[in-house]
Amino acid sequence: DADVTQTPRNRITKTGKRIMLECSQTKGHDRMYWYRQDPGLGLRLIYYSFDVKDINKGEISDGYSVSRQAQAKFSLSLESAIPNQTALYFCATSDLQGTQETQYFGPGTRLLVL
Amino acid sequence: DAKTTQPNSMESNEEEPVHLPCNHSTISGTDYIHWYRQLPSQGPEYVIHGLTSNVNNRMASLAIAEDRKSSTLILHRATLRDAAVYYCILRPSGSARQLTFGSGTQLTVLP
Repeated sequence: DADVTQTPRNRITKTGKRIMLECSQTKGHDRMYWYRQDPGLGLRLIYYSFDVKDINKGEISDGYSVSRQAQAKFSLSLESAIPNQTALYFCATSDLQGTQETQYFGPGTRLLVL
Repeated sequence: DAKTTQPNSMESNEEEPVHLPCNHSTISGTDYIHWYRQLPSQGPEYVIHGLTSNVNNRMASLAIAEDRKSSTLILHRATLRDAAVYYCILRPSGSARQLTFGSGTQLTVLP
């Protein structure tokens, strides 16, 4: 079984709808992240969490919110989806070793906002 | 934060070594050099990281210039499964700092 899972894998929604993307991990890591990737570009950080109830904004948090109610789960919400939020979304967890960390990514959720 | 510069794309023949360059002329003394790769239709995966000394693992080798202003990821024998986007990332020391992904190098492996 995969260590980092994301649901759904694909989602089509309409402008103005509220949607939630879920991420679960079995690695036992405290740190979790949400990124988005647009065609031909690298990943941009949306939100991250270092522990349960800890929430931090990333580079592009506007229009998104997150919830970390348990160590293993980190959900991303789009309160009112808009077309420019069409993207590939990745969840990641990390294992901090000293001052450096290795991130482990999920398979991604492809979101289309019409 | 210091930035990295990578070629947009590179090609390699199967079973030959591949040297993927990364320039980071404004690197600070506490920045670690990380490499990740993203296979088609998958999330990124960790490849290797280092600070000053060259590093080897089962996936690749990382050669770091003496002045640390550049580094090279070395795949010793490219396979078709190594075709991916390779990201060179600087991560400052400190537990609260994050990874910042650039646009990476698209590696094509020719059979």
